Amino acid sequence: QKEVEQDPGPLSVPEGAIVSLNCTYSNSAFQYFMWYRQYSRKGPELLMYTYSSGNKEDGRFTAQVDKSSKYISLFIRDSQPSDSATYLCAMSATGGFKTIFGAGTRLFVKA
Amino acid sequence: DTAVSQTPKYLVTQMGNDKSIKCEQNLGHDTMYWYKQDSKKFLKIMFSYNNKELIINETVPNRFSPKSPDKAHLNLHINSLELGDSAVYFCASSQDKTSGEQVQFFGPGTRLTVL
Repeated sequence: QKEVEQDPGPLSVPEGAIVSLNCTYSNSAFQYFMWYRQYSRKGPELLMYTYSSGNKEDGRFTAQVDKSSKYISLFIRDSQPSDSATYLCAMSATGGFKTIFGAGTRLFVKA
Repeated sequence: DTAVSQTPKYLVTQMGNDKSIKCEQNLGHDTMYWYKQDSKKFLKIMFSYNNKELIINETVPNRFSPKSPDKAHLNLHINSLELGDSAVYFCASSQDKTSGEQVQFFGPGTRLTVL
């Protein structure tokens, strides 16, 4: 079993839809949870960062962490064609030196 | 100002050659990384340096050798290139790992094609 599981998609939605992206993990020591967005032929860029459990909101983006279920989510409201990209979840443990990335979910938002 | 930069952006070379990729960060971070991203977009850690000291060395062939002349630079040298080395290589940096800060900032990537 991989430490971090993420459905690679692709996920195709119409403009304006609410998008839900998810990852599950097996290592209960993970405390830092990140979402990166990667456009084609570009490097990953940090989108959201959460420490431990709870929700975090930034504009149209909401990150949720449920440590009891070992499940994290990223919600995108009012999705736009410019949101079309690959979204990678990532997580690491306090004092740990390694960040584990999910496989990335490819999202297409159709105008 | 570019935070994490890599050169070259594209690298096309023949099997058996030796090549280097350079990375520089101007964020004042203590930790730098090399990742390999394959055609399926899977991002895999190769090496990590903290204050010029190697702290992560994943199962990577000995043909790959990282070098950190100072904490702002981390270079990757690859000997005897093979077809399977074709991928995009990303450099990244983060603040001191010992403080718990885990967020990484990535460079634009180097697309390596081995013919």
